[in-house]
Amino acid sequence: AQSVTQPDIHITVSEGASLELRCNYSYGATPYLFWYVQSPGQGLQLLLKYFSGDTLVQGIKGFEAEFKRSQSSFNLRKPSVHWSDAAEYFCAVATNNAGNMLTFGGGTRLMVKP
Amino acid sequence: DGGITQSPKYLFRKEGQNVTLSCEQNLNHDAMYWYRQDPGQGLRLIYYSQIVNDFQKGDIAEGYSVSREKKESFPLTVTSAQKNPTAFYLCASQTGAGNTIYFGEGSWLTVV
Repeated sequence: AQSVTQPDIHITVSEGASLELRCNYSYGATPYLFWYVQSPGQGLQLLLKYFSGDTLVQGIKGFEAEFKRSQSSFNLRKPSVHWSDAAEYFCAVATNNAGNMLTFGGGTRLMVKP
Repeated sequence: DGGITQSPKYLFRKEGQNVTLSCEQNLNHDAMYWYRQDPGQGLRLIYYSQIVNDFQKGDIAEGYSVSREKKESFPLTVTSAQKNPTAFYLCASQTGAGNTIYFGEGSWLTVV
């Protein structure tokens, strides 16, 4: 069965610093990969997704992610973090052609220091 | 505005009672989903429905039931058989294969 690991439960960065959130997946074939963001007590918002093509994917709010097949990774990055980026981030993988059966990682909570 | 509406936002239930969480979408999406989220954990799929009058169990369906009588509605019933029902419940929908899955704002259920 597929699985998603987000090794960092909590991350704290200073405002203006760069950010990288790690995501590793386990699946035999090419997966469909997603990053979602969740503000406290709210639903999830899609940041970006990878289905095929260019392995560097641009998303909303200045985020990007890179799919590395050899490392089974899909890390999320942002060059300069803003205080409003403080939230919980979830990596997810879908393993069917419909891209709808999502398996989520445990999440990474991002805190931003002023 | 189009979107997914979940209600109520907060719900308290006594042990032994069933409770139904509402999920309505006006996005004309075919597929709908229910996820459960526990603190410090990711989301786990409870049930999903690809079309009206059809639904499938997800990873943690025990103690839950759903119906899909209308395209825009996918209510979730948390039954007394659910051992640990206190959680945050998220409804989601999708227009079709490969498209983005959109989430509602969630419902907090607390068993007292």
